Amino acid sequence: QQQVKQSPQSLIVQKGGIPIINCAYENTAFDYFPWYQQFPGKGPALLIAIRPDVSEKKEGRFTISFNKSAKQFSLHIMDSQPGDSATYFCAASIGNQGGKLIFGQGTELSVKP
Amino acid sequence: GAVVSQHPSWVICKSGTSVKIECRSLDFQATTMFWYRQFPKQSLMLMATSNEGSKATYEQGVEKDKFLINHASLTLSTLTVTSAHPEDSSFYICSANWRLRTDTQYFGPGTRLTVL
Repeated sequence: QQQVKQSPQSLIVQKGGIPIINCAYENTAFDYFPWYQQFPGKGPALLIAIRPDVSEKKEGRFTISFNKSAKQFSLHIMDSQPGDSATYFCAASIGNQGGKLIFGQGTELSVKP
Repeated sequence: GAVVSQHPSWVICKSGTSVKIECRSLDFQATTMFWYRQFPKQSLMLMATSNEGSKATYEQGVEKDKFLINHASLTLSTLTVTSAHPEDSSFYICSANWRLRTDTQYFGPGTRLTVL
């Protein structure tokens, strides 16, 4: 019940395309859902995050869509660029548990020129 | 803002030696610091959670006597891998929560440990 399931495992898109990465969870106590971007050999960097009281959040070219009833959330990258090629992780946490994050399995995105 | 540093960025050591990795929050006070390890092409695995001035809480399956964590101040946590063996070779990453926003974790750049 503590798992966050992420798909797909890998994704290849052309420059300008809109890759979509999906995550699903079971524990309805989760109340914070961040997305992280990680380049090879680097630590993850926070991209964008959402709480369950909002169905969508946009920051630049990154959008999170959140479906509370389906217990699913997804990341959309608009006008994707080769520089977006990285591994993306979704995560979830429960506020009163000190911010402990449960990570998805990761999606390796490749944006072709 | 919210910068977390790690030192060293990479280390190579002989089997049986101990290695210390430092994690610092540079521009904020961290309520909690977390230590992860990550194998190639895999997700981050939480090893332990530490709060300043108290003992770390280890995840199931993580040997507390092997991975010693000290959280001496609100800006510094250290992970010591004791008697390292080749199977301990991995990418170790720390993160920190800002005291005023405990839901957001800021990650360090990671430390690549190779045990020969």
